[in-house]
Amino acid sequence: QKEVEQDPGPLSVPEGAIVSLNCTYSNSAFQYFMWYRQYSRKGPELLMYTYSSGNKEDGRFTAQVDKSSKYISLFIRDSQPSDSATYLCAMTVGGTSYGKLTFGQGTILTVHP
Amino acid sequence: DGGITQSPKYLFRKEGQNVTLSCEQNLNHDAMYWYRQDPGQGLRLIYYSQIVNDFQKGDIAEGYSVSREKKESFPLTVTSAQKNPTAFYLCASSMQDGAKKLFFGSGTQLSVL
Repeated sequence: QKEVEQDPGPLSVPEGAIVSLNCTYSNSAFQYFMWYRQYSRKGPELLMYTYSSGNKEDGRFTAQVDKSSKYISLFIRDSQPSDSATYLCAMTVGGTSYGKLTFGQGTILTVHP
Repeated sequence: DGGITQSPKYLFRKEGQNVTLSCEQNLNHDAMYWYRQDPGQGLRLIYYSQIVNDFQKGDIAEGYSVSREKKESFPLTVTSAQKNPTAFYLCASSMQDGAKKLFFGSGTQLSVL
């Protein structure tokens, strides 16, 4: 079993839809949770960063972490064609682990005009 | 502009050949990382370096080697011992504060001839 599981999709939605992307994990030591967006053949870029359980909102994006269920989500409101990309969840235990992130497989999202 | 530069964008390796991927950053980050991305498997950590002249193996270091002679540079050599080198290679950097926020380069696609 992988430490982080993410539905690879692909996920196809119409413009304006609410998108829900999810990851589950098995390592209860993970404390820091991130969502990266990756356009085709480019490097990932950090979208959201959350510590421990709770919600964090940034514009159209909301990240949720439920440590009791070992489940994290990213919601995209009013989705746009420019949101079409691969979304990667990532997590780490923190402390001296630095950039030793554990990534999910990535979910491919397409938003149709 | 500050950022991470990876070169070349595409690289081809012949059987038994060693190849070196370049990674340069001008973000003044102490820590640097190499990740490998395969379809459907997310990103996996190859090597990381927290400081000049020091580096550690990640989860899949076999068949790879690195050096960190300068703060700005972290080249990755894919040796002939790496039997399945075809992948998208991503270099990243972060601040030296247990940072969980990685900044990625645009990647190098390595293929075997």
